[in-house]
Amino acid sequence: GAVVSQHPSWVICKSGTSVKIECRSLDFQATTMFWYRQFPKKSLMLMATSNEGSKATYEQGVEKDKFLINHASLTLSTLTVTSAHPEDSSFYICSATLLAETYEQYFGPGTRLTVT
Amino acid sequence: GQNIDQPTEMTATEGAIVQINCTYQTSGFNGLFWYQQHAGEAPTFLSYNVLDGLEEKGRFSSFLSRSKGYSYLLLKELQMKDSASYLCAVLDSNYQLIWGAGTKLIIKP
Repeated sequence: GAVVSQHPSWVICKSGTSVKIECRSLDFQATTMFWYRQFPKKSLMLMATSNEGSKATYEQGVEKDKFLINHASLTLSTLTVTSAHPEDSSFYICSATLLAETYEQYFGPGTRLTVT
Repeated sequence: GQNIDQPTEMTATEGAIVQINCTYQTSGFNGLFWYQQHAGEAPTFLSYNVLDGLEEKGRFSSFLSRSKGYSYLLLKELQMKDSASYLCAVLDSNYQLIWGAGTKLIIKP
């Protein structure tokens, strides 16, 4: 149980376009979903925390108008990278918590974004 | 500030034992996680410690000392598939996960 999916697995887009990444909890309702980005050989960097039905909480330095997060239901959160630039190329990973008490995060498989 | 330290890289031999250390300084403590991450993949959960002591789970064990701000992940009977990065993460007083940079473990035949 506790499976999280992400779509797409990888995407290549042109500079200036927008890209939407979906994160779904397949067999459970997630209390909270998290969005991370990871550069090669670096650790995870938390971008934002998302609760269903409320606005996402962004980490310092993360532009909320550039990285739009919509948490439409207890099983779906989306991250939209708007007006993407080559420096936005990265590995984007979402995770979800099953219950507030456990705080264990279940990770999606990640999305590799390349902006040309 | 909040800080988690772990070695950048370690090398071990197939069949041997390796211990990956993690020290932390955080605002509050609500548990420590170890995750495994293979290159190009998302992290997978290995262990969670919130009380002092050793938790054993098959070939993997995790130890915690809250007074010392210290944890280690012990891997026994190493296999080639254990080559991966191992991430230490602490849940702080706000229940936010603070991530270490990860330890890249290289297993040699």
